[in-house]
Amino acid sequence: DGGITQSPKYLFRKEGQNVTLSCEQNLNHDAMYWYRQDPGQGLRLIYYSQIVNDFQKGDIAEGYSVSREKKESFPLTVTSAQKNPTAFYLCASRARTGLNQPQHFGDGTRLSIL
Amino acid sequence: SQKIEQNSEALNIQEGKTATLTCNYTNYSPAYLQWYRQDPGRGPVFLLLIRENEKEKRKERLKVTFDTTLKQSLFHITASQPADSATYLCAPYNAGNMLTFGGGTRLMVKP
Repeated sequence: DGGITQSPKYLFRKEGQNVTLSCEQNLNHDAMYWYRQDPGQGLRLIYYSQIVNDFQKGDIAEGYSVSREKKESFPLTVTSAQKNPTAFYLCASRARTGLNQPQHFGDGTRLSIL
Repeated sequence: SQKIEQNSEALNIQEGKTATLTCNYTNYSPAYLQWYRQDPGRGPVFLLLIRENEKEKRKERLKVTFDTTLKQSLFHITASQPADSATYLCAPYNAGNMLTFGGGTRLMVKP
């Protein structure tokens, strides 16, 4: 079955540490996205990528970095510069054919501070 | 600034009744709007899409309306069941080919 796999499901970060969240898709989608979800708030866009080797900042990119070296992979690094990283992180992908294509989401990674 | 408003308070209804969830948006002219369902600890799942030139869209027990004059979309679940309990997110499509998500409304259907 095609889908999006995020790992790990739970992650703990120490002060001053960078951590990387994995996102892999086998849907052959060109576009991929990273969102942050805080309790009671909507999904906020961190970074997105429309094509391999290209990505753009979203609304809250500060303290985060991404890479898109392969079509199926879009890892997110939460750097030590992100002072409030505790949140639920969601990865999504979308086919580029047709502007109204829905986004397909993984089941998220919950990041907490130790 | 662009804003999406969904009722942050949970909606509690009895099984068998129709649930109606509201999505209001300001400073948007979305070409279309999507609705998603999110269960606790899971990613959102796409339910329905409605275009600006469509007044209403149906899928089984789900119905979505889109009023571009009122800047509002309504999401209805008829004959609701406890399994419909979840958080429902609306997402207007804005310029630049991006979706923007509302905070969601939690629906609780009691047997």
